[in-house]
Amino acid sequence: GESVGLHLPTLSVQEGDNSIINCAYSNSASDYFIWYKQESGKGPQFIIDIRSNMDKRQGQRVTVLLNKTVKHLSLQIAATQPGDSAVYFCAEGRIHGSSNTGKLIFGQGTTLQVKP
Amino acid sequence: KAGVTQTPRYLIKTRGQQVTLSCSPISGHRSVSWYQQTPGQGLQFLFEYFSETQRNKGNFPGRFSGRQFSNSRSEMNVSTLELGDSALYLCASSTGQGADGYTFGSGTRLTVV
Repeated sequence: GESVGLHLPTLSVQEGDNSIINCAYSNSASDYFIWYKQESGKGPQFIIDIRSNMDKRQGQRVTVLLNKTVKHLSLQIAATQPGDSAVYFCAEGRIHGSSNTGKLIFGQGTTLQVKP
Repeated sequence: KAGVTQTPRYLIKTRGQQVTLSCSPISGHRSVSWYQQTPGQGLQFLFEYFSETQRNKGNFPGRFSGRQFSNSRSEMNVSTLELGDSALYLCASSTGQGADGYTFGSGTRLTVV
């Protein structure tokens, strides 16, 4: 079946260091991928997305890399700050025609702990 | 603009009861998706509504149902509650077009005792 998985349940980094969170997916037909951040007591918050026809996309302090050959996705956070501490999820989506399917398949999540 | 609003934030119900959760999407968004989040299973897709029609459905029993109104507000209902239904229920809204992002609400924490 379909699955999106993350390699590590917990990642601990020092404040100021760069963080890399990884995700492996199995559905080669996915059209786009999204990274979400979820803080305690809140819903997932959109960070960045990438279409399947791209291999890199940059945002503010974040970069997403997509390697379709090995079905691997990563989120890089530069100069990690205490406010980055949260659970990070990758999710995969499909498009049918001009519409999305309304369904995202989520990975299990990686908890990022930032040590001051 | 206002985000996605879910009510109530917390609910405690007894086994066998039923519950209705509400989600008000971002203005202009016609797609509302529902997810169940538990520590063991993570985020799992329940169903999605677009313009009052269910477009997609996950692998949940028929006790889980939903609907969408003409103003795009959506409700989900769980009947004959079981202890295992205790979870955070999240809804997300989207325009429904292309890869437009999904914005999540803060969820409803349901506890079944």
